[in-house]
Amino acid sequence: EAQVTQNPRYLITVTGKKLTVTCSQNMNHEYMSWYRQDPGLGLRQIYYSMNVEVTDKGDVPEGYKVSRKEKRNFPLILESPSPNQTSLYFCASSPLYYRDPGKGYTFGSGTRLTVV
Amino acid sequence: AQTVTQSQPEMSVQEAETVTLSCTYDTSESDYYLFWYKQPPSRQMILVIRQEAYKQQNATENRFSVNFQKAAKSFSLKISDSQLGDAAMYFCAYRRMYGGADGLTFGKGTHLIIQP
Repeated sequence: EAQVTQNPRYLITVTGKKLTVTCSQNMNHEYMSWYRQDPGLGLRQIYYSMNVEVTDKGDVPEGYKVSRKEKRNFPLILESPSPNQTSLYFCASSPLYYRDPGKGYTFGSGTRLTVV
Repeated sequence: AQTVTQSQPEMSVQEAETVTLSCTYDTSESDYYLFWYKQPPSRQMILVIRQEAYKQQNATENRFSVNFQKAAKSFSLKISDSQLGDAAMYFCAYRRMYGGADGLTFGKGTHLIIQP
């Protein structure tokens, strides 16, 4: 089954304790992205990657890191989480625009992160 | 940069009736894609319908249809014969067709309530 697998689904952590949210896709998509969803703000892009070793900032990158060492994986790293990073996070993947631009994204199931 | 505006934070409709969710966007580009995503309480992001800007014909998927007004930069979603399972957050989204930061820009969402 074609899917984006995101783990964990729920995570509670303390301020300053480094954490990683994993994301993996099995569709050979070039494009992967991380979004955070907050009430009243919709989904905002954190980082994206258009291929292996190619990453760039989205609209809200502060406090986050990503890496793309393999095509299928795109982990999100919070090196020193703070309470304002409490949110619902989504990983998504897609073919690059010129391959199938109308396809939209395939989303993971989301990670509910709470930083106390 | 593109912006997407959903002016209705919440809508309520009686089961079996028709409801229209509004979306407007701002772009200087002539070719792009527009999407409606549904997010039920399970929080999974589900693609409902998509529209290519170069197509004049409005997209339709079963009970879901759009009213795409390119000149007005409007992209509303009509749900006919509303069902309890339609209760969800609905997000309007924009995607560029050519190059650059290949991301989806989302509106802030509309919470749709279905009254039995």
